[in-house]
Amino acid sequence: GDSVTQMEGPVTLSEEAFLTINCTYTATGYPSLFWYVQYPGEGLQLLLKATKADDKGSNKGFEATYRKETTSFHLEKGSVQVSDSAVYFCALSSSDSWGKLQFGAGTQVVVTP
Amino acid sequence: KAGVTQTPRYLIKTRGQQVTLSCSPISGHRSVSWYQQTPGQGLQFLFEYFSETQRNKGNFPGRFSGRQFSNSRSEMNVSTLELGDSALYLCASSPGNRGIEETQYFGPGTRLLVL
Repeated sequence: GDSVTQMEGPVTLSEEAFLTINCTYTATGYPSLFWYVQYPGEGLQLLLKATKADDKGSNKGFEATYRKETTSFHLEKGSVQVSDSAVYFCALSSSDSWGKLQFGAGTQVVVTP
Repeated sequence: KAGVTQTPRYLIKTRGQQVTLSCSPISGHRSVSWYQQTPGQGLQFLFEYFSETQRNKGNFPGRFSGRQFSNSRSEMNVSTLELGDSALYLCASSPGNRGIEETQYFGPGTRLLVL
């Protein structure tokens, strides 16, 4: 079945540091890929997505590129802020499964001033 | 547009009881998916409804059930609660007719504590 693997956290960074969160996936066919973010006490918010190979999703300074050859969708941000402290989830949606997002375990990011 | 709303936000129940959670999707969205989030198991898919029909179901026991109404609002029910059912229950809505590229929009969740 489909699966998503992302790096374990917590990841602790200083403000203005570079952030990378690795995400790899296993899926049949050509899934769509998503990054969601969850702030304490809240639901999930879409951060960015990519629906086909070599697409780059971007939002709020975050970027991720859909790499089919390496089955990866790594999240990057060049300069993090304290407000970026949250839990980040990589997820996929595949044609085998209506309405279902398959999530990774989540990576907690802590940004210190 | 108003976002996805879930009620109640917090619930405390005891073992053996049953509980019903409600989700109102974004206006115009016909698909509602439900997820359970726990520290140990992460985010797990429960089921998805579209136009009052369950299209997909995750690997949960039959104690977990759901339904969707003609206005796309959805409810999920958990009967005979167990301690392990303590979790954050999230619902998400989407148009439901655009395939796997669709974005799911999540509500704030209902936090259930089973004592």
